[in-house]
Amino acid sequence: DSGVTQTPKHLITATGQRVTLRCSPRSGDLSVYWYQQSLDQGLQFLIQYYNGEERAKGNILERFSAQQFPDLHSELNLSSLELGDSALYFCASSVMARGGDEKLFFGSGTQLSVL
Amino acid sequence: AQSVAQPEDQVNVAEGNPLTVKCTYSVSGNPYLFWYVQYPNRGLQFLLKYITGDNLVKGSYGFEAEFNKSQTSFHLKKPSALVSDSALYFCAVRSHNYGQNFVFGPGTRLSVLP
Repeated sequence: DSGVTQTPKHLITATGQRVTLRCSPRSGDLSVYWYQQSLDQGLQFLIQYYNGEERAKGNILERFSAQQFPDLHSELNLSSLELGDSALYFCASSVMARGGDEKLFFGSGTQLSVL
Repeated sequence: AQSVAQPEDQVNVAEGNPLTVKCTYSVSGNPYLFWYVQYPNRGLQFLLKYITGDNLVKGSYGFEAEFNKSQTSFHLKKPSALVSDSALYFCAVRSHNYGQNFVFGPGTRLSVLP
């Protein structure tokens, strides 16, 4: 068990809808990362937060947004969903903000299916 | 720009034989290099990392990896494969330069046959 909790584990919704994915990092970890994993795109970095502030942005669509709350949990909001958004969404946490050798701890992911 | 290549989508090896999963990278500056493993229906788990120093890095579950700067490679190895090693393996790189994020390779599926 990595100590990173993601809910829900599975989410089935329809095109055009909006969903929220939740992540609780390991105790003591200040950084939260969001990744999207799909068969054709592999593991894509979406966004990183550190202690409540956005730290880095990757290939995140404008329809997607995220935030990290004072208790350090994070939410990823996906809106106007399209079929192509179906994927496994991972959250990862780490202790360090800018260190390169930090180790990421991954949650088990949320499997999103857009029908 | 940073990038990671894992030239093999799939690697098959017989149980008890040595295994190698290949990784090459491109990064500006010195790299931090990582291997992660993903078992079915699970998140990625850290295996090992190279920061600096000895080119041979030992990690979890008997895995090791060799950093080769001239070939910009960081191949994952294990002397004797187990069926339970069957999983998806990801190589990742991060530059020492501030502001650079992790970049993961496309993954290599390892199948260890009994």
